[in-house]
Amino acid sequence: IQMTQSPSFVSASVGDRVTITCRASHNINNWLAWYQHKPGKAPQLLISAAYILQSGVPSRFSGSGSGTDFTLTISSLQPEDSATYYCQQANYSPDTFGGGTKVEIK
Amino acid sequence: EVQLVESGGGLVQPGGSVRLSCAVSGFTFSNHWMSWVRQAPGKGLEWVANINQRTTSRDYVDSVKGRFTISRDNAKNSLFLQMNNLRAEDTAVYYCARTAENTRGLDYWGQGTLVTVSS
Repeated sequence: IQMTQSPSFVSASVGDRVTITCRASHNINNWLAWYQHKPGKAPQLLISAAYILQSGVPSRFSGSGSGTDFTLTISSLQPEDSATYYCQQANYSPDTFGGGTKVEIK
Repeated sequence: EVQLVESGGGLVQPGGSVRLSCAVSGFTFSNHWMSWVRQAPGKGLEWVANINQRTTSRDYVDSVKGRFTISRDNAKNSLFLQMNNLRAEDTAVYYCARTAENTRGLDYWGQGTLVTVSS
């Protein structure tokens, strides 16, 4: 299963709304997760099963979508959100990650 | 507190072998699928392998099939990745990760261990 993320890079200002999309090559039945990864640190699970916000993750993060098209939204970008974001499908084995979206703060 | 701690990385020659370990604590290890994920220098995350609770199911990304073996010891709360016939393109930080019971997300990760394949 191919996971296509877009854009690969986004530069936005604090307070901006940022949207990242992920498209699966086949229906993945909402088994879609989103991760935040900062250099030198372990990736952090933000959203699982397409829209379930993990405990402790700020509510400005949200996930939506179904079937093959999914979205991660950061409603009001904060300085600490500078990171690379990945989607991952877990419907078909092997699991696959998208190529990543680097979010830069202007 | 949930903790996953990888060890075993280092410099290895092409064609060589290395065994990674992941010691876990703070949760019931035998209740969870476990995975290995890697990140090559300057690249994105790549899922490598996973294993179910009783080792009756294991799967691998195509590029490591026949060379890597994932295993676990539930009595010792440990996950392993035996890596044989290593190639330069296996150079990466390797993370172990726990799969959440109901959502299939990888909800806890170790800090990673670097494997460098070079002569």
